[in-house]
Parts: sequence; C-alpha cells; structure tokens
Amino acid sequence: DIQMTQSPSSLSASVGDRVTITCRASQSISSYLNWYQQKPGKAPKLLIYAASSLQSGVPSRFSGSGSGTDFTLTISSLQPEDFATYYCQQSYSTPFFGPGTKVDIK
Amino acid sequence: QVQLQESGPGLVKPSQTLSLTCTVSGGSISSGGYYWSWIRQHPGKGLEWIGYIYYSGSTYYNPSLKSRVTISVDTSKNQFSLKLSSVTAADTAVYYCASSDSSGSQAFDIWGQGTMVTVSS
Repeated sequence: DIQMTQSPSSLSASVGDRVTITCRASQSISSYLNWYQQKPGKAPKLLIYAASSLQSGVPSRFSGSGSGTDFTLTISSLQPEDFATYYCQQSYSTPFFGPGTKVDIK
Repeated sequence: QVQLQESGPGLVKPSQTLSLTCTVSGGSISSGGYYWSWIRQHPGKGLEWIGYIYYSGSTYYNPSLKSRVTISVDTSKNQFSLKLSSVTAADTAVYYCASSDSSGSQAFDIWGQGTMVTVSS
C-alpha cells in the first residue's frame, strides 16, 4: 500500500494569511493526488484533483502543486470559511487518505 | 446534479452484519463512467476507503477489510449497498458513499451526507 503523510498535523493562522500544507507519498504516485476540505459534521469536499486542477466552484485562492511523492496545497489568502481540516488522497492505487491537517483560528 | 444519500440502521450489534444502502439521484449508475464507493470515518479520526463497485458489478475492496466486505449494485433501483460482516466496536464510524470518475483522476467528487453507525450491544 502507498501511505500518505501530511504536515503539519495542525496549524493556527489568521484571516488573510497564506497557508501551505504538505503531503508526501511513500512512493511515486505521479499526479494522482487529490485534496479535500472537511468541516465538522459535514462530508469532505473535493478542492483539487490530479495534483493541480481546481474543482469546479472552488475559489481560486486554493491551488495545488507537485508530482511524484511531494505535493502542496496552498491557500493564498485565508478566509473565515476556510477554517477546516484538509486531507490529501492518492488515487494511484488503493485509495488512501492522509491523516489530515486542521487549520484553526490564531 | 448527482446526489447521494445513505440509509440504514444506526445501531448494529457486535458480530452481526452492518448493511447500508446509497441511493443515487440526478444521474444513472447504469450510464457508466463512475466508481461508486464506500468510505468511513471513525469518530474524530481520518478517512478510510472501504471499496467500490462499477455499474457492471465489478468490485475492488480495501485489502485491510476485504474478508468482511461485500458491495453490490441494483441498477433498477439506482442504488448500491455495503455489507460489513462480523462487526466490532472498531467498526463504529460515519459511513459515506461517494462517486469518482473511473477514467480520470478518480477523485471523490460527490459525497453523501454520511450516516453514523454505532456497534454496540
């Protein structure tokens, strides 16, 4: 199985901050990497697919980059509605999610 | 706009079989092009993919759960279902159904709202 790690596990940030979350795969997954946002009591929401493609309807302040084993999710200017937990997920083989990064208010 | 809705018992006794159904609206499972998955989330924890089914009936399961999982599809009802046997308290979780594009990124782009299942006597 291809394992996924994320860093940091949590972070505190202020509205307007630039936030970067990193995801690493245990072996190369090409660009088969997706990012999700989950708010308490809600289902995850797809933000980025194929490492860097923005899902329809997702604000452009979200962006993704990377390939192979190292990936990044960036929120260019954090908004109040962005405080949530973010998960990466590889779709190269058996789907596997990262452990999540919780973004909360500083 | 495709929507998914999970249904099933919220309480299951240990050693019994957990059974859930996902009803698809706004689109047809039979049209193909999508995998139909079950994903769960233990309380306060991360996400675990359980398995998926294609409209043809072909399945792929998480190896860690494969011995206990059966996913089936009923195209006439536009539903797919999960059965998880021999459950224990460790199977207590929110269970989601989700769909993913079978030919592209295979990202889970549509999710149901989730249903909480507690395993307890």
